[in-house]
Amino acid sequence: GAGVSQSPSNKVTEKGKDVELRCDPISGHTALYWYRQSLGQGLEFLIYFQGNSAPDKSGLPSDRFSAERTGGSVSTLTIQRTQQEDSAVYLCASSLASQGDTEAFFGQGTRLTVV
Amino acid sequence: AQSVTQLDSHVSVSEGTPVLLRCNYSSSYSPSLFWYVQHPNKGLQLLLKYTSAATLVKGINGFEAEFKKSETSFHLTKPSAHMSDAAEYFCVVRRYSSASKIIFGSGTRLSIRP
Repeated sequence: GAGVSQSPSNKVTEKGKDVELRCDPISGHTALYWYRQSLGQGLEFLIYFQGNSAPDKSGLPSDRFSAERTGGSVSTLTIQRTQQEDSAVYLCASSLASQGDTEAFFGQGTRLTVV
Repeated sequence: AQSVTQLDSHVSVSEGTPVLLRCNYSSSYSPSLFWYVQHPNKGLQLLLKYTSAATLVKGINGFEAEFKKSETSFHLTKPSAHMSDAAEYFCVVRRYSSASKIIFGSGTRLSIRP
């Protein structure tokens, strides 16, 4: 596609339920990132995938959070047993190459509200 | 490891006056540095990037930034602010030479007074 696509754009869920957030990166981009942005805050790194390498999961806040990337393309971020503090905008980004001089392109995000 | 510090959480300037948004970085490796802008309820957009070529980098909408290794800084400037520049600005660092995660600063909110 033309850009990074995230779905759903908005998600309201009850506390304790599981949610799945989807990211379709730009075709051919080997690197994929997930970030979380709470209201009025900066971007908190969650997880990073690069090709077939083991993902960098160092930013995941708890074991309730997990992510996978199938076939080196689409990624799903799963939050189990959601809590109110999980409410935030979840942003996905992708970049073309493994070199650090390429910029990341961001999706519009999924706004998650836990009630 | 890399980190980035944006020294001001909020900057307010009058329309037509210069803009300065400050960013300092820390990196164990040669860094790539970026500035992104986020307008209200909009996605993140790349303003400019430094990747070891010219130290003075020009971006979109009249913004530019200068990489100063001795000061570990990458401040964003614009000679004359416009009302449409009101937004959140993020300084970003990553390792230049190989794959790495991207680290964001905490952001600076720029307000423009008429």
